[in-house]
Amino acid sequence: GAVVSQHPSWVICKSGTSVKIECRSLDFQATTMFWYRQFPKQSLMLMATSNEGSKATYEQGVEKDKFLINHASLTLSTLTVTSAHPEDSSFYICSALAGGSWETQYFGPGTRLLVL
Amino acid sequence: DQQVKQNSPSLSVQEGRISILNCDYTNSMFDYFLWYKKYPAEGPTFLISISSIKDKNEDGRFTVFLNKSAKHLSLHIVPSQPGDSAVYFCAADIQGAQKLVFGQGTRLTINP
Repeated sequence: GAVVSQHPSWVICKSGTSVKIECRSLDFQATTMFWYRQFPKQSLMLMATSNEGSKATYEQGVEKDKFLINHASLTLSTLTVTSAHPEDSSFYICSALAGGSWETQYFGPGTRLLVL
Repeated sequence: DQQVKQNSPSLSVQEGRISILNCDYTNSMFDYFLWYKKYPAEGPTFLISISSIKDKNEDGRFTVFLNKSAKHLSLHIVPSQPGDSAVYFCAADIQGAQKLVFGQGTRLTINP
């Protein structure tokens, strides 16, 4: 089956630093990737839609200057949390669309970010 | 504003019995629904879906029921197996929106 990887799986950083999270589709190309955020006991919240070769589309309330998304190739999207603060501590999960339907959306295992 | 709600955070079922997971939604514009299954340290994986033009979709041990008037869908697993122990998310989509709205998830535990 299709595989999506995320790196790192967990990261601890100091407040004020930036953290980059990579999302890779390993065995398929993905024009569209999604970035979600999940707080404990809450749902996956869509942060942004990343389209290869164009600017990401951010959901309402998500600061695009804080959460920088780059989808430079058909197999890689990156999320950079800039000037991280403790409230950015969360579980970040990406997904990639292998085809034109939601059934072909494959998720990465997620990245747990802790900002001290 | 939680448009998709899974009001049961957890559910425990005996092996071999039926598991019923519920999901309610508030947005009448949702027209496609999916269930995902998530094991620890892994991403969610697609399980089964249903379009709003149907009220039932079946795939092996898994059946999803949709009640549009009640804005409610449910996932039935029968018979339940230990490998079904996982967190289950329901999600909904508005045609053309290209975004999914997820519920909070229900942790299903199948007891031997």
